Amino acid sequence: GQNIDQPTEMTATEGAIVQINCTYQTSGFNGLFWYQQHAGEAPTFLSYNVLDGLEEKGRFSSFLSRSKGYSYLLLKELQMKDSASYLCAVMDSNYQLIWGAGTKLIIKP
Amino acid sequence: GAVVSQHPSWVICKSGTSVKIECRSLDFQATTMFWYRQFPKQSLMLMATSNEGSKATYEQGVEKDKFLINHASLTLSTLTVTSAHPEDSSFYICSARTGQGFYEQYFGPGTRLTVT
Repeated sequence: GQNIDQPTEMTATEGAIVQINCTYQTSGFNGLFWYQQHAGEAPTFLSYNVLDGLEEKGRFSSFLSRSKGYSYLLLKELQMKDSASYLCAVMDSNYQLIWGAGTKLIIKP
Repeated sequence: GAVVSQHPSWVICKSGTSVKIECRSLDFQATTMFWYRQFPKQSLMLMATSNEGSKATYEQGVEKDKFLINHASLTLSTLTVTSAHPEDSSFYICSARTGQGFYEQYFGPGTRLTVT
């Protein structure tokens, strides 16, 4: 079966760095997405990785290792507004998005 | 660019009635639209995928006669929840894909449905 695993909840301090991991097992791979979702709102796109390596976009970076079925989202200089759920999703061979359950990130002052 | 709107943003209806939710791509043509449901503290659950002009493909366990999806044009898809019951209360989110680029899905703001 297809499976996406990510931690349920993480806590970090304002100004610090946090890494949210995601491991996956899917039928085929056409890229991995990270989305941010604030409570009561729809997800917003953060990043897309299809090749191995690190993609940096401002305070956020995303890493992919296809051989290990592993990705992480790195958030630097954490701000209170970064408190949200972070969803990992993999596009399978049918171009269907398989979603993880999301990681709730709590930022403390 | 790539804005998706949903209407209404929230709706309260009585048990047994039907509710229609609209999803529009405002500045692009959406070859494919997706409907998701999300219960509190849970991840997105794909309900169905629809392509313009053809019947929607429903995920296993989703009743197609209860959740009617119409993708009438390249910019509009509708989800009708028929004979709604309290257990249908949820956050319904649509997303749209252009069919170009890396297949990113653009999400609408969601519709909060409460059935009393």
